[in-house]
Amino acid sequence: SQQGEEDPQALSIQEGENATMNCSYKTSINNLQWYRQNSGRGLVHLILIRSNEREKHSGRLRVTLDTSKKSSSLLITASRAADTASYFCAWGGSARQLTFGSGTQLTVLP
Amino acid sequence: EAGVVQSPRYKIIEKKQPVAFWCNPISGHNTLYWYRQNLGQGPELLIRYENEEAVDDSQLPKDRFSAERLKGVDSTLKIQPAELGDSAVYLCASSRGQESYGYTFGSGTRLTVV
Repeated sequence: SQQGEEDPQALSIQEGENATMNCSYKTSINNLQWYRQNSGRGLVHLILIRSNEREKHSGRLRVTLDTSKKSSSLLITASRAADTASYFCAWGGSARQLTFGSGTQLTVLP
Repeated sequence: EAGVVQSPRYKIIEKKQPVAFWCNPISGHNTLYWYRQNLGQGPELLIRYENEEAVDDSQLPKDRFSAERLKGVDSTLKIQPAELGDSAVYLCASSRGQESYGYTFGSGTRLTVV
């Protein structure tokens, strides 16, 4: 992608393990968000981190942001089969302008 | 609160035919978005509305795509005529447009052009 990317493209882990997904972008941002998409459904907002924040937690989710490297990571701890989905990062200069990455397909095996 | 409602969920049409998608955003969300998502890719913005005004339509293929948002609530996206390459999922989303909130997406319309 010309504007950013996510890696890995696909990730397969066992239930109970941690999953880490990475996102890189190329523009200046105001905030970065992570979304989950189950097969055949719309995207669901998970967490938002502002450009002046370095780390944020929400339940089993931990997001980090390094604006100097223009990168973010999403960690899902103690994964469950229900966490199987595609995960997208999205970044923008404002709350009204988000660009989405290409996503990471996470499969959690029972 | 009710989510973002889109219809239809699926649509199969022959190329060169017209097609329309409808979206009802969350009440009170002034900002509405139409995204297109190709298989295995992230959503790409087609158009963004602030109330009734289209404020970002730079990625909308204007030769065949059109959109409207009457009265700043419901929105329709139309393609005429459809091409094979238009096959994708069309997602509608809405937001409060404030910095602390993300977008709420509908379930999308999966379009197949044959």
